[in-house]
Amino acid sequence: AQKVTQAQTEISVVEKEDVTLDCVYETRDTTYYLFWYKQPPSGELVFLIRRNSFDEQNEISGRYSWNFQKSTSSFNFTITASQVVDSAVYFCALSTTGNQFYFGTGTSLTVIP
Amino acid sequence: KAGVTQTPRYLIKTRGQQVTLSCSPISGHRSVSWYQQTPGQGLQFLFEYFSETQRNKGNFPGRFSGRQFSNSRSEMNVSTLELGDSALYLCASSSYDGTGNNEQFFGPGTRLTVL
Repeated sequence: AQKVTQAQTEISVVEKEDVTLDCVYETRDTTYYLFWYKQPPSGELVFLIRRNSFDEQNEISGRYSWNFQKSTSSFNFTITASQVVDSAVYFCALSTTGNQFYFGTGTSLTVIP
Repeated sequence: KAGVTQTPRYLIKTRGQQVTLSCSPISGHRSVSWYQQTPGQGLQFLFEYFSETQRNKGNFPGRFSGRQFSNSRSEMNVSTLELGDSALYLCASSSYDGTGNNEQFFGPGTRLTVL
């Protein structure tokens, strides 16, 4: 069975602090894909990143970085020097060859100015 | 390229009624998925359609149904509405190639309120 766990329900940080959002997944498939989405207050989910199971390289995009570790089945997301505009709900998701997506319950991030 | 569109954006119904929600995917996308989002529950997968065929189905009662048309547009229907059906219903499309390696693009959602 496929499962994604985001244990952090809500996080609050002060602007300019770094914050890491945790994501742990479960799957028996050897080929799978991991995603992060951002849902701002407007409600529309925005795609942030995709990573496949064969690529464990970390990725950095501006203030965002992702750490994928197969050994711990984790795909964590770090925001460096957080800004108020980063306030949103962040979802981690897993997909396999069946193209069904499994989403975590989301982490609500509030950045306090 | 236009994004995923959903209509209507807001809907208010009463218990026992039925409702139909519509989704137009990104041009060229043949896979359409539907999700129900409620506070604290995250995104619950309803079903996925590809080339007019339902390929995957989540754990929802039979009151929830859907279909996809030849132009890839999709509709979902909820019959005999219950208070617990109040939620944001999200549609997502993707250019599925059989690998699962395609991000889903989401529409703005339809906010359904059942009174």
